[in-house]
Amino acid sequence: AQSVSQHNHHVILSEAASLELGCNYSYGGTVNLFWYVQYPGQHLQLLLKYFSGDPLVKGIKGFEAEFIKSKFSFNLRKPSVQWSDTAEYFCAVTSPGTYKYIFGTGTRLKVLA
Amino acid sequence: DGGITQSPKYLFRKEGQNVTLSCEQNLNHDAMYWYRQDPGQGLRLIYYSQIVNDFQKGDIAEGYSVSREKKESFPLTVTSAQKNPTAFYLCATHFTGTENYGYTFGSGTRLTVV
Repeated sequence: AQSVSQHNHHVILSEAASLELGCNYSYGGTVNLFWYVQYPGQHLQLLLKYFSGDPLVKGIKGFEAEFIKSKFSFNLRKPSVQWSDTAEYFCAVTSPGTYKYIFGTGTRLKVLA
Repeated sequence: DGGITQSPKYLFRKEGQNVTLSCEQNLNHDAMYWYRQDPGQGLRLIYYSQIVNDFQKGDIAEGYSVSREKKESFPLTVTSAQKNPTAFYLCATHFTGTENYGYTFGSGTRLTVV
């Protein structure tokens, strides 16, 4: 069965620090990968997604993620975080055509002003 | 405005009561999903439906029931059989048949058992 691991449960950074949130999945076949963000009091929003092609994908608000197939990873990065990036971040995986997402447990990011 | 409407935003349930959470969408999406969000556990799939009059159990369907009589609506009933119903419930929709994967989420219903 597919599963998604997000090893960082809580991350605290100062503004302008660089961010990398880990996401590893377990599935040997073709996958589609997503990062969602949930700002305090708001609904989940799609940050970025990977289906195929360039393994480095860019999303909204300066976020990017790199798909490394050999490591089964899809880590989220941002070179310089802002206070407004404080949120919970979820990685998700699905197989093409199945539509059912498997979500990770989430990472709570707190950015100190 | 296209989107997903979940109601109510907050819901309180007494022990032994059934309650129904509403999810309505005007996005013309085919597929609809119910997830439960608990701190430290991420989102877990309760039920999903890819077409009208058809739905499947997710990973944690016990104690829940759904119906899909209309494309726009996918209500979730939390029954008295659900032993730990206090959680945040999210409805999501998806347009099938294209490469444009990506859920659209509603704003959620927070259910508390009192």
